[in-house]
Amino acid sequence: EADIYQTPRYLVIGTGKKITLECSQTMGHDKMYWYQQDPGMELHLIHYSYGVNSTEKGDLSSESTVSRIRTEHFPLTLESARPSHTSQYLCASSDEGPVGIQYFGAGTRLSVL
Amino acid sequence: KQEVTQIPAALSVPEGENLVLNCSFTDSAIYNLQWFRQDPGKGLTSLLLIQSSQREQTSGRLNASLDKSSGRSTLYIAASQPGDSATYLCAVPTGDSGYALNFGKGTSLLVTP
Repeated sequence: EADIYQTPRYLVIGTGKKITLECSQTMGHDKMYWYQQDPGMELHLIHYSYGVNSTEKGDLSSESTVSRIRTEHFPLTLESARPSHTSQYLCASSDEGPVGIQYFGAGTRLSVL
Repeated sequence: KQEVTQIPAALSVPEGENLVLNCSFTDSAIYNLQWFRQDPGKGLTSLLLIQSSQREQTSGRLNASLDKSSGRSTLYIAASQPGDSATYLCAVPTGDSGYALNFGKGTSLLVTP
């Protein structure tokens, strides 16, 4: 059982609002990731982190930002939400470099009106 | 860039049938390959991880094989049940981006009673 948690599970907000999607893991993993998934489409990497104070942008351009102040916490922030941000956001963490299992949270489904 | 393809995109079978899901990847220099299950609107559940040095992995009614040289993996599901209905995703780690995963679009499986 993976110990990685995302809140909120669902969020409906208006255009222009600032939002933060939370992701926490209790496994002590150094690597953490944010993926974006549109309905019926594959997951795309938007941010990742090697550890505390490390954040990098992924392949898919995103207007979101992330921070990694503590090992267990990797929040994603949208300063001004737009309808184009409507999607599912999935957080993951991993151990053991390239050979470890990647564990996923339940996701946050965001709708921007 | 690594590309991951899954065939078929959708599959409907009657309960009790054995079935095979296919995954192919363009760059055979992979560390491992991971199979996931995703239920509608939910996160991903890891099913099996095959290291590059392995040929197959088994968990209950699931068996995954890996042929690196041909760039292929299969997920075999024995004696399918309605509870197996979900989308099945395969993924391989990137060589960079913190070993984030490259995903296929998935196979949507429906097992009818």
